[in-house]
Amino acid sequence: EPEVTQTPSHQVTQMGQEVILRCVPISNHLYFYWYRQILGQKVEFLVSFYNNEISEKSEIFDDQFSVERPDGSNFTLKIRSTKLEDSAMYFCASRPPGLAGGSYEQYFGPGTRLTVT
Amino acid sequence: LAKTTQPISMDSYEGQEVNITCSHNNIATNDYITWYQQFPSQGPRFIIQGYKTKVTNEVASLFIPADRKSSTLSLPRVSLSDTAVYYCLVGSGGYNKLIFGAGTRLAVHP
Repeated sequence: EPEVTQTPSHQVTQMGQEVILRCVPISNHLYFYWYRQILGQKVEFLVSFYNNEISEKSEIFDDQFSVERPDGSNFTLKIRSTKLEDSAMYFCASRPPGLAGGSYEQYFGPGTRLTVT
Repeated sequence: LAKTTQPISMDSYEGQEVNITCSHNNIATNDYITWYQQFPSQGPRFIIQGYKTKVTNEVASLFIPADRKSSTLSLPRVSLSDTAVYYCLVGSGGYNKLIFGAGTRLAVHP
């Protein structure tokens, strides 16, 4: 069964450094998402992406964040200058094609644990 | 998404059936009811989705009464590996973001 994959599984970085989190969505999916979950808290939406552009972004997704689909398979989240409060699990998700418009079916990757020191 | 209310936590024992109820009084005509499961340190996993009546798959059943103001996720014969957080989401903006609440933390005991 196809899966969303994410690399690395764990990233440790120093405050102020840039990080790039990588995702490979399921191959025929067209809508892509990033979420994050701070330890012990809710899963929070960051950004959605379709047709090579951002569809929607949350207040969390400020100028320090960017997303890119550099080729036909990868979907990346970049944090330009990490802060301590960016420490969280970051999940990539993708949506199957052909669903009814109202369907909330998304497939999540295993996550990248980002630790900012 | 419509506002949902579900229990914060539930306990069960191996082999029992678990029913988790979600209230969504303000559900709109076009809204779907979707349930996700999340194990510790893993991404949420889509379990089941329905619009009305009953939906069943290999993992769970979803019961939706005629007024659609609530729904019940039923897990038959749970095992220790069903210990997870279960989220109820109600809405119709399918291409858009998912908004997760706190969910129901299910603990299955031996």
